[in-house]
Amino acid sequence: DTAVSQTPKYLVTQMGNDKSIKCEQNLGHDTMYWYKQDSKKFLKIMFSYNNKELIINETVPNRFSPKSPDKAHLNLHINSLELGDSAVYFCASSQQDVPDEKLFFGSGTQLSVL
Amino acid sequence: SQQGEEDPQALSIQEGENATMNCSYKTSINNLQWYRQNSGRGLVHLILIRSNEREKHSGRLRVTLDTSKKSSSLLITASRAADTASYFCDTNAGKSTFGDGTTLTVKP
Repeated sequence: DTAVSQTPKYLVTQMGNDKSIKCEQNLGHDTMYWYKQDSKKFLKIMFSYNNKELIINETVPNRFSPKSPDKAHLNLHINSLELGDSAVYFCASSQQDVPDEKLFFGSGTQLSVL
Repeated sequence: SQQGEEDPQALSIQEGENATMNCSYKTSINNLQWYRQNSGRGLVHLILIRSNEREKHSGRLRVTLDTSKKSSSLLITASRAADTASYFCDTNAGKSTFGDGTTLTVKP
């Protein structure tokens, strides 16, 4: 069973479109994250939700809107896609406030904006 | 903000050799974690070392931590082709941007 699953794995779309990436975790964790990894490999944190509440919101264009319907899901909706949005997006989860808090990552969604 | 910074950026060795990569950070920490990323995959947790520990082992992995120098090293002994990956350190339990990692290539 996949611990953190995100769909789709590949997403190719035109500039200006709106798209969503879904993420689900079955680990019972209370915190979920979205990261963006560009071609230079930096893994930039975008958002973090703890028990459905936004706790980290880095400097991200407001075209990006995370939505957490429950603590097992954190979806990422992107409006008016731009060329610079092309990257690999990773979802992750963790359990906060435990001694060995560690992240579990999904396998990534490669977004290509044409 | 970025917490950990890995070096070297790239490392190429022969199978069977040891690989050492380093992580430097700027603020005080509770623990430091190392992750591996295989090409096209998400990060996988390797090992955690607490701030009151100086060395930790897990299989072929050895991690050291020097809090006075704000640095850590990850040693992979007797490397294998399957160790080819990028390695990242994390000092803030995922709440900050990771560095760009050390890309390790192990040649068979």
